[in-house]
Amino acid sequence: GNSVTQMEGPVTLSEEAFLTINCTYTATGYPSLFWYVQYPGEGLQLLLKATKADDKGSNKGFEATYRKETTSFHLEKGSVQVSDSAVYFCALSDQPSGGSNYKLTFGKGTLLTVNP
Amino acid sequence: EADIYQTPRYLVIGTGKKITLECSQTMGHDKMYWYQQDPGMELHLIHYSYGVNSTEKGDLSSESTVSRIRTEHFPLTLESARPSHTSQYLCASTGIGGGAGFGKQYFGPGTRLTVT
Repeated sequence: GNSVTQMEGPVTLSEEAFLTINCTYTATGYPSLFWYVQYPGEGLQLLLKATKADDKGSNKGFEATYRKETTSFHLEKGSVQVSDSAVYFCALSDQPSGGSNYKLTFGKGTLLTVNP
Repeated sequence: EADIYQTPRYLVIGTGKKITLECSQTMGHDKMYWYQQDPGMELHLIHYSYGVNSTEKGDLSSESTVSRIRTEHFPLTLESARPSHTSQYLCASTGIGGGAGFGKQYFGPGTRLTVT
């Protein structure tokens, strides 16, 4: 079955530091990969996505590249801000097929705290 | 951006009470989901629905039940609440079957349930 393993937290950084949150996956076929973010007191929201190998997803200064050879989708940001403090989830989904699988498989989440 | 609503946001209730957590979306999405989020942040899919009168149990066994009588409404019910049901419950929806929007689930803000 599908699974997602992401770097355990919590991660604490100073403002303007470089961020990497590792994510690796196991899946059959050719999944799409996602990073979701959950700010305090809110639901999750999609941060970025990539649907095929070597695609790079980017948003709000965050980037992640779909690496099929290493089955990875690591999240990076060059200079974090206090407002980036949140929980980050890596996720995957198989492409819809005749069986219509529209479920996401999530990693366990990584809490990021950025101090001023 | 998300037009998906959950009520109540917070609920404290005694053991043995029946409760219903409401989830509604105004986007016309046919696919809806309930997740339970534990204190360690991990998400567990407990129910999902791919359309009216269609509901399925998720990956984590739950004593709760759901119904889908209208496209926009996906309530979750606990017939007899217990302290072990204390958790955060997140509702989500998606309406895209494939293409660029695939995998983007819209999340509500969550209901934090405490059973005393």
